[in-house]
Amino acid sequence: EPEVTQTPSHQVTQMGQEVILRCVPISNHLYFYWYRQILGQKVEFLVSFYNNEISEKSEIFDDQFSVERPDGSNFTLKIRSTKLEDSAMYFCATFWDSLSQETQYFGPGTRLLVL
Amino acid sequence: AQKVTQAQTEISVVEKEDVTLDCVYETRDTTYYLFWYKQPPSGELVFLIRRNSFDEQNEISGRYSWNFQKSTSSFNFTITASQVVDSAVYFCALSEARASGTYKYIFGTGTRLKVLA
Repeated sequence: EPEVTQTPSHQVTQMGQEVILRCVPISNHLYFYWYRQILGQKVEFLVSFYNNEISEKSEIFDDQFSVERPDGSNFTLKIRSTKLEDSAMYFCATFWDSLSQETQYFGPGTRLLVL
Repeated sequence: AQKVTQAQTEISVVEKEDVTLDCVYETRDTTYYLFWYKQPPSGELVFLIRRNSFDEQNEISGRYSWNFQKSTSSFNFTITASQVVDSAVYFCALSEARASGTYKYIFGTGTRLKVLA
């Protein structure tokens, strides 16, 4: 069965550093999402991406965050200058189209620790 | 506004007991989807079920069953004869269509289930 993959699985970084989290969506999926889960808390929507642009973003997704699909396959989340509170599990999810309304497929997550 | 409430923060049961995890949702849409995900200690989100708002039939899959009641905006999940491997955090989620055409998920706060041997 096709699956969403994410790299790295774990990342440790120093506060103020830039990080890029990568996701390889299921091929032919058109909609892409990032979610965040702070340890022990619920999963929260960050951003959705379709047709090479952001469709919707949450209030968490401030100017420090950006997303892109640079090569038509990888879908990346960049945090420009990490803060301690960015420490969380980041999940990528992909989805076929709005008409079929299939389930979003979640990747295994990247666990980010900001020191 | 959309909201998902999982009032049970943590439940402990002894193996072989049945357990029900509650989920109550709020939405103004007539078309929406409800989901349950399992998050084991390893952290990934494991899809369990999707139910659309027009299908109120209950579903059973092995030891798992789901009770969807639109009248009470609830989508409860029952594990029959629980096993230690069922120990995990379980999330209920709601998906609504957005003006952008995408369907973001709204998750509940999760219920941590501990099944004791």
